[in-house]
Order: sequence, then C-alpha cells, then structure tokens
Amino acid sequence: QQQVKQSPQSLIVQKGGISIINCAYENTAFDYFPWYQQFPGKGPALLIAIRPDVSEKKEGRFTISFNKSAKQFSLHIMDSQPGDSATYFCAPGGYQKVTFGIGTKLQVIP
Amino acid sequence: DARVTQTPRHKVTEMGQEVTMRCQPILGHNTVFWYRQTMMQGLELLAYFRNRAPLDDSGMPKDRFSAEMPDATLATLKIQPSEPRDSAVYFCASGLGGTVNTEAFFGQGTRLTVV
Repeated sequence: QQQVKQSPQSLIVQKGGISIINCAYENTAFDYFPWYQQFPGKGPALLIAIRPDVSEKKEGRFTISFNKSAKQFSLHIMDSQPGDSATYFCAPGGYQKVTFGIGTKLQVIP
Repeated sequence: DARVTQTPRHKVTEMGQEVTMRCQPILGHNTVFWYRQTMMQGLELLAYFRNRAPLDDSGMPKDRFSAEMPDATLATLKIQPSEPRDSAVYFCASGLGGTVNTEAFFGQGTRLTVV
C-alpha cells in the first residue's frame, strides 16, 4: 500500500464547488491510472481512467490530470453535487495487479 | 446484466470457525481478484487468479487463508480458523487480464464479523 499515497483522506465541498483528490505513486511500471468510486454498501466501480500517453482526460464533470514526471495524477470533480458524495480510490496498475490508495471520503454539502 | 455475484452478503461467526466466501465472476472474464476492506487499511489485495491459476497471493495470511478457483465460474476464499481481526468486508472482482486496461468489476462484498 505504501506504493500509492492518496490525499486528502476526507474532503467536504460545497455544492457547485470543485473537488480535487490527488494520488502519488512510486512504481514507474504502472501504465494505467484509474479512479474508482464507491458508495456505502457497494463495491467500488470504475469512474474514469487515463493512459500515460495523455496528460488530461475529461468525461462530463470528471477530469483526470496526469503528471508523469512527478508520478502523480489527480481527479477533479467540477460543479460537485450531493450525489457525488462517496469514497474515491486511485488504483494505478497495469498488466499485473492493481494497487488501491487508502481512499478519500468526499462529502458534498448543499 | 453482467455482474460479479458474491455470497453470502453477510456472515457472523464465532472465533475459530471456518468461513467460506464464494464469488461468481462475470462470464468471459479471465482474472479474479480478492480484496479485503477495513477502515484502517483500506482496500488490500489478498490474491488474484488468471485463467484459474493463482498469480499472487502474497497479501494473504497463509496459515489461515486459502483461495481457489475450482472452475471458471466459481472462486472461493476460505478462512480457517477465523479470528476477530478478520472482521472486514471482502470483495471479489473480475476483469479481462492480459491487457493493460484491466478494469476490475467488483461484487457487492461479503461483510464478515467474527465474534
């Protein structure tokens, strides 16, 4: 688990605001950088993912920014909504196993 | 719809008892993962299989945990004997391994309580 450091561990954002979650990794062999979203009582589900040949990927209100040289990638949630309240995990990996971060509990307040 | 099915959803057992958790991966997926989730440790990878062969079980306490895939439609995780510290949510996930973009599709988990 020390290979992946996720921050912050908890985040409270006002509705309509921007949520930013960061992930730092050590293994330069990682070549797939996803974010998973988990609601209470459910398993995690893939939210958005990026390959290292691009620096940014946007899907609706969700954006991944990737900095290969710094070995970091981040999740940005624009116009955050109460329905986005969940736990978010970065999970860098590749051909082999996936390594999950500790998770960030996001609460979006009205 | 295609999904990973885990049974049981909840299990309460006494310390020392054997616990078996089952997972039916999505049809056609060749990789199965077992994870344990706790507040303190987050999501820990216990073991994973590709084409039913164990590839890595280094995350599993070997003396009490065992994982198997009797066939392509069933994966099992067994704890014997169980201990209170094993209390956690255990997730099974499946995916199409052998490609870079190995998305893991998770089941709903088995919540285990050992008293």
